[in-house]
Formats: sequence, C-alpha cells, structure tokens
Amino acid sequence: DQQVKQNSPSLSVQEGRISILNCDYTNSMFDYFLWYKKYPAEGPTFLISISSIKDKNEDGRFTVFLNKSAKHLSLHIVPSQPGDSAVYFCAAITGTASKLTFGTGTRLQVTL
Amino acid sequence: NAGVMQNPRHLVRRRGQEARLRCSPMKGHSHVYWYRQLPEEGLKFMVYLQKENIIDESGMPKERFSAEFPKEGPSILRIQQVVRGDSAAYFCASSPRWADIGELFFGEGSRLTVL
Repeated sequence: DQQVKQNSPSLSVQEGRISILNCDYTNSMFDYFLWYKKYPAEGPTFLISISSIKDKNEDGRFTVFLNKSAKHLSLHIVPSQPGDSAVYFCAAITGTASKLTFGTGTRLQVTL
Repeated sequence: NAGVMQNPRHLVRRRGQEARLRCSPMKGHSHVYWYRQLPEEGLKFMVYLQKENIIDESGMPKERFSAEFPKEGPSILRIQQVVRGDSAAYFCASSPRWADIGELFFGEGSRLTVL
C-alpha cells in the first residue's frame, strides 16, 4: 500500500533548465509534506516543506507546489545545477503521526 | 562532528547471526527514529523512541527486531537471527522535539548485508 508515489524513477535535465519532480499521495489525512535530497552513501537531508494550508512554498531555487484536490505536489528547481544531481524523496505526515511516509524517490541527473 | 552518527557503516552477517546497529543523535536531540531502505525502495519507518521509551514501533517486524534508547549511550537497533531479506540500509534520524518531527536529521546509514 504505497500511500506516497513518485512515478518517475529518473529524470535528466540540462544545466540551467527547470527540473520538475512529481509526487502523488492517496491519504487525505496527510497535512504536511516534505522533500528530502539524498546523495549516494549519505543520509537524506531535508530540502523544503509545505503545510496543507498553503499551495506554494519557495526557498531560493526550490519551490514546492501543492494541489490538494488532486493530491499532488511537485518540486521545481530552477535553474538546475550539476550539484543538484541526487535522489529526491517526497514524504508526508499527518499532524498526529510520529512517522514520515516516503515515496520511492526520483533520481535527478543534471547534465552539462 | 555534531551530526547524527551511525555505526557501523557497513556490516556483513551470515544467516542466523545477530546484527546490532548504533545511533548517536545530534547533541540536544532526544527523539530518535529508525528507517529502513530496501533496494530500489523508499525509506520505511520502523520505530520512534525517546530516552528510555518506545513511542511508536508500528513499523517494526513483530519478531527478531528490537530497539532501545537508554538513558545513557546510543540508540541500538538489534536484529536477531538475520535472514537475507534483512539486507538493507538502516537510517537513524533525530529531532529535538516532536513538533519538528517532519524535519528530521538523518545519519549516513548502516548497510547490512546478510550472506
């Protein structure tokens, strides 16, 4: 029962262009969403989050959009840089839960 | 280094042996979480602990797995009688208080290989 889905296992984008990573969820009780970035042989690091009462949150080159009616969120990276090449995990949480539910990740490759 | 420290980074065990994974949270953090990542999958929650208390172990297999976070010392995830399906990366994360639970600080993981 995959409650958080990242249907694209990989994405390749040219340096300087926009990267768009997508995430869908099924549990309407989720009220907080996060993106984590993971390099090989390292632990995930928190990138950006959004509360369900918002539809957009921006932090520098990273913007997360939330469409609650569609149960869909996306992470936009613009402009993309080679250092952004990593696996990106979408995660969700309910206000009363103590655990994150992660998607399976999307591997982003930013090419020169 | 003030980050979450996990050891060992790599552990090889034969079927039937025991595996012990250790996690020292960031300084000042009293909440510890263990997640498991199987090959080609996302991270799956296992257990949430505070000092001397297991708060939520709903993600832990009912048998062979146990976790503790004693008053002194690191948190330990223990897997008894390991099987090949236990081969995975085990990540520990910490947070200072439950309100910040979403923004966890992860360690670099312990990679268990069961032969």
